[in-house]
Amino acid sequence: DTAVSQTPKYLVTQMGNDKSIKCEQNLGHDTMYWYKQDSKKFLKIMFSYNNKELIINETVPNRFSPKSPDKAHLNLHINSLELGDSAVYFCASSRLGLAASDTQYFGPGTRLTVL
Amino acid sequence: AQKITQTQPGMFVQEKEAVTLDCTYDTSDPSYGLFWYKQPSSGEMIFLIYQGSYDQQNATEGRYSLNFQKARKSANLVISASQLGDSAMYFCAMRGPSGGSNYKLTFGKGTLLTVNP
Repeated sequence: DTAVSQTPKYLVTQMGNDKSIKCEQNLGHDTMYWYKQDSKKFLKIMFSYNNKELIINETVPNRFSPKSPDKAHLNLHINSLELGDSAVYFCASSRLGLAASDTQYFGPGTRLTVL
Repeated sequence: AQKITQTQPGMFVQEKEAVTLDCTYDTSDPSYGLFWYKQPSSGEMIFLIYQGSYDQQNATEGRYSLNFQKARKSANLVISASQLGDSAMYFCAMRGPSGGSNYKLTFGKGTLLTVNP
């Protein structure tokens, strides 16, 4: 019954590797997001997709590439991982994504550690 | 650009007492939404409460209420009758209107609340 799920929950990898994080929501929402939470707990949006269309693309290195195969899934692929990519990555979804009132619901997070 | 400020890095409260977590915001948008999220030590982000900029009444959800003072640009979270399970990081966030550059959710730095028995 999990509303927004992410896999894996933990990811430990070496610098230079390529990795993916998967996200799925079963809420029937149209919009999905990726956030990064750094070691100081600061949360910042990275990307947002509305019905498979990219609508938010913050200043993120192009080593990060989101992919939305359908509106229930939003994956994050990271190439050539760097130490500074270590963080918790949250996926979120919302019903419309195009209104100030639209509430976002978060997944459990993926803790990425780059060694 | 919109900005959220949470000036209390940490707060302590006795169990069963009420506590107010401060949040001020800055935006030039006339329409916006304000949100509070809770992040316990287990790490998940839990939505607590929402206030719209045009809402006349303060939002309430169970033991949570939002003290919205639009002229002062503040949206403080009030937790009544604190419980040990309320110990967590609390984030204030805001979002601007659709179509504008501020429609992304912007978070404050958070306040770590500790409830003492």
